[in-house]
Amino acid sequence: GAVVSQHPSRVICKSGTSVKIECRSLDFQATTMFWYRQFPKQSLMLMATSNEGSKATYEQGVEKDKFLINHASLTLSTLTVTSAHPEDSSFYICSAVGVNTEAFFGQGTRLTVV
Amino acid sequence: RKEVEQDPGPFNVPEGATVAFNCTYSNSASQSFFWYRQDCRKEPKLLMSVYSSGNEDGRFTAQLNRASQYISLLIRDSKLSDSATYLCVVNAFGDYKLSFGAGTTVTVRA
Repeated sequence: GAVVSQHPSRVICKSGTSVKIECRSLDFQATTMFWYRQFPKQSLMLMATSNEGSKATYEQGVEKDKFLINHASLTLSTLTVTSAHPEDSSFYICSAVGVNTEAFFGQGTRLTVV
Repeated sequence: RKEVEQDPGPFNVPEGATVAFNCTYSNSASQSFFWYRQDCRKEPKLLMSVYSSGNEDGRFTAQLNRASQYISLLIRDSKLSDSATYLCVVNAFGDYKLSFGAGTTVTVRA
């Protein structure tokens, strides 16, 4: 099946620094990518929807200036958590959808801000 | 009200048992329904889509009740490897903007 590769799988960073997470569709062109966040024992919460070549659409309550999303090509989307704080520590997951495909998920990134 | 609400469990069952649980959704215009499986600290993986007439995939049976706005998952002859969190997922707009339930945890014991 299709593969979505997400890196890094785990990152620890200091408070105030920025972290970039990459999401790549390896064997299909992703027309749309989604970024989710999951806190322990909670459901995945959609943060933003990203279409190639256009600005991301953010869900209510998600700060677009803090969570920068770039979808420069049909196979790559990046999420940058700027000026990270401990409350941003979470599991971030991307998913990618191509033409007539189901949603495929990346392996997730566990972010810990210390 | 949450878009998708799930029976949280946990369900602790012996090997070979049958376990079933439900999920309700709030948007009556929802178009697609899925069950995903999520293992601890891993990404969700599609278990099965749920069709209007109900469908079966091996030991797994999914049902959809549009009138009452709920879907269900039944696992027969449980295996140890079925231990996981099962996520109820609904697509309201047909654009893969998925809404997730919080998950039902199932633990199958030997």
